[in-house]
Amino acid sequence: EAQVTQNPRYLITVTGKKLTVTCSQNMNHEYMSWYRQDPGLGLRQIYYSMNVEVTDKGDVPEGYKVSRKEKRNFPLILESPSPNQTSLYFCASSPSMGGGNQPQHFGDGTRLSIL
Amino acid sequence: TQLLEQSPQFLSIQEGENLTVYCNSSSVFSSLQWYRQEPGEGPVLLVTVVTGGEVKKLKRLTFQFGDARKDSSLHITAAQPGDTGLYLCAGEKEGRGGADGLTFGKGTHLIIQP
Repeated sequence: EAQVTQNPRYLITVTGKKLTVTCSQNMNHEYMSWYRQDPGLGLRQIYYSMNVEVTDKGDVPEGYKVSRKEKRNFPLILESPSPNQTSLYFCASSPSMGGGNQPQHFGDGTRLSIL
Repeated sequence: TQLLEQSPQFLSIQEGENLTVYCNSSSVFSSLQWYRQEPGEGPVLLVTVVTGGEVKKLKRLTFQFGDARKDSSLHITAAQPGDTGLYLCAGEKEGRGGADGLTFGKGTHLIIQP
């Protein structure tokens, strides 16, 4: 089954404790992206990757890191989490970007609470 | 930043009624996508519109892309409780071949009451 898998689905942690949210897709997609979703603010892009070893900042990259060492994986790293990073996070992938017919496939989300 | 304004933010109507959700911008988008999101899940693509003036139908849902590719609408006929959810529009930023990904509207929370 084609899917984007995020782990963990839920995490409560404390300020300053490094954490990684994993994202894996099994569709051989080139493009992957991380979003955060907050009430009243909608979905905002954090980082994206056009392909292996190619990553770039989205609209709200501060406090986050990513890596794309393999095509299928795109982990999101919070080196020193802070309470303002409490949010619902989504990973998404698509075959590529551009062309207008590239649907993004989303994972089921990771709810992070930073105390 | 290219912004997408969705309206209304919240809509609660009775089963069987019709409704329209709007997605507006002052910017031109190469394409526009509509997603539906249910609680505890990620957004799921409903449709992509690419050409100005394009109309697409998905059962009781009708999607339209504005002639100038700055706005879009979603019309639901005879709404049913199963239509309840968060509806998101997302535009592919023009230029750079879509490298910057999608800009999302804040969404319309739709509740269809039986």
